[in-house]
Amino acid sequence: SQTIHQWPATLVQPVGSPLSLECTVEGTSNPNLYWYRQAAGRGLQLLFYSVGIGQISSEVPQNLSASRPQDRQFILSSKKLLLSDSGFYLCAWSPGEREQFFGPGTRLTVL
Amino acid sequence: AQSVTQPDIHITVSEGASLELRCNYSYGATPYLFWYVQSPGQGLQLLLKYFSGDTLVQGIKGFEAEFKRSQSSFNLRKPSVHWSDAAEYFCAVGATNAGNMLTFGGGTRLMVKP
Repeated sequence: SQTIHQWPATLVQPVGSPLSLECTVEGTSNPNLYWYRQAAGRGLQLLFYSVGIGQISSEVPQNLSASRPQDRQFILSSKKLLLSDSGFYLCAWSPGEREQFFGPGTRLTVL
Repeated sequence: AQSVTQPDIHITVSEGASLELRCNYSYGATPYLFWYVQSPGQGLQLLLKYFSGDTLVQGIKGFEAEFKRSQSSFNLRKPSVHWSDAAEYFCAVGATNAGNMLTFGGGTRLMVKP
C-alpha cells in the first residue's frame, strides 16, 4: 500500500531564516505531487504541483519554491521566511487521476 | 474555473442526531467530487468520492453524499453523529486536466454536543 511522509512535524523558525520541508511517497511510482498551505481557520491553498521529476507548477506568487529531485520526493523551500509564511503545510499525492491522498502535515511557526 | 462553496462555517449537532453538511460547486462539465475530513493538527482523510454513476455514494465512517446535478450540490450526510465525528470537513471538486488539481471549499467545522 502507499504511504506519504512529511517532516518535520513541527518547526519554529525566525523571520529571515531558510526553510526546507520534505515529503516522500512510498509504494507508487510517478505520482502527481502537491503542496498546500492552510492558514489558521482557513481552507487549503494550492501552492505547487508536479507531474514529474523536475516539473513544477506554481499556483500563487510567493516567497516559496518547490523542487522534485526524485520521483517520490517533493521539497518546499524558502530562502528567507516571512511572518506570513506561518501555517500548516500539507503534501499530497495522486496516482495521476482523480483523488488526492494527504500526508500528516507540518506546522510552521515563524517568529 | 471551478469553485466550491460550503455555506456553513460552523455546525453544532447533538450526539445521535442526524447531520447534513452542504456543498455547492461550479464547474463546466461533469465534476469529480470529494469529501475530506480533518481532525485538529492532522492531514486530510478521504471520506468519499463521486466520479459517475449512482448519485448516492457511500463512504467510510457511515457517511454518504448525494450528487444533484440540477442543484450543483454534493451534500454530506450521516444518520447518527458520534462524538468522534467532531472535525473539519472539506468538499472538493476535481478538474479533468493535467495535474489533476482539486479546488477545495472553505470547510465546515463540526462540533458535537454530548
